[in-house]
Amino acid sequence: KQEVTQIPAALSVPEGENLVLNCSFTDSAIYNLQWFRQDPGKGLTSLLLIQSSQREQTSGRLNASLDKSSGRSTLYIAASQPGDSATYLCAVRGPGGYQKVTFGTGTKLQVIP
Amino acid sequence: DGGITQSPKYLFRKEGQNVTLSCEQNLNHDAMYWYRQDPGQGLRLIYYSQIVNDFQKGDIAEGYSVSREKKESFPLTVTSAQKNPTAFYLCASSSPRQLIQANYGYTFGSGTRLTVV
Repeated sequence: KQEVTQIPAALSVPEGENLVLNCSFTDSAIYNLQWFRQDPGKGLTSLLLIQSSQREQTSGRLNASLDKSSGRSTLYIAASQPGDSATYLCAVRGPGGYQKVTFGTGTKLQVIP
Repeated sequence: DGGITQSPKYLFRKEGQNVTLSCEQNLNHDAMYWYRQDPGQGLRLIYYSQIVNDFQKGDIAEGYSVSREKKESFPLTVTSAQKNPTAFYLCASSSPRQLIQANYGYTFGSGTRLTVV
């Protein structure tokens, strides 16, 4: 059974700092990994989707990497801003009767002005 | 713009009452999903559907029912059999195309918060 872990559960950083969020998964047989952002009381907004054949994806100040062999993905946020404050979740999509997707429990990020 | 619309945003249920949460998408996606989110527990899959008139139970289907009469719509009914329905409910869609499934991620709606009163 796939397990997805995100550590730390919460993170507080000063504005302008570069930071890394971590996502670990136990089964390397995945199709893709997706990073989401969730604001309080809102749905999930997709940030980046990395296919299993890719090593990284970039969008603006965000860069996500994937190392299947070690079961790890990182989300790098450059020059953090207070507007980046949210919960960040990763989701791993793997083989299964319904293309099983397993979510991590998220890292709650607070960027302090 | 294409997306997923969930309604209502807030819903209150009395004891013994059935309530229905709406989910509509105009992304032309085949697959649709319902998740429940509780604090500290992450997202748990309730039901999913890969095609019209077909749906399957997820990990926590007891006390819930769904229908998929149209490609665009996947309503979720929370029945009186669900003893602890207070949660945040999220609908998502994706494409189930087997040959290129690695290309597809999820698109989520904005959620419905259900509270028992």
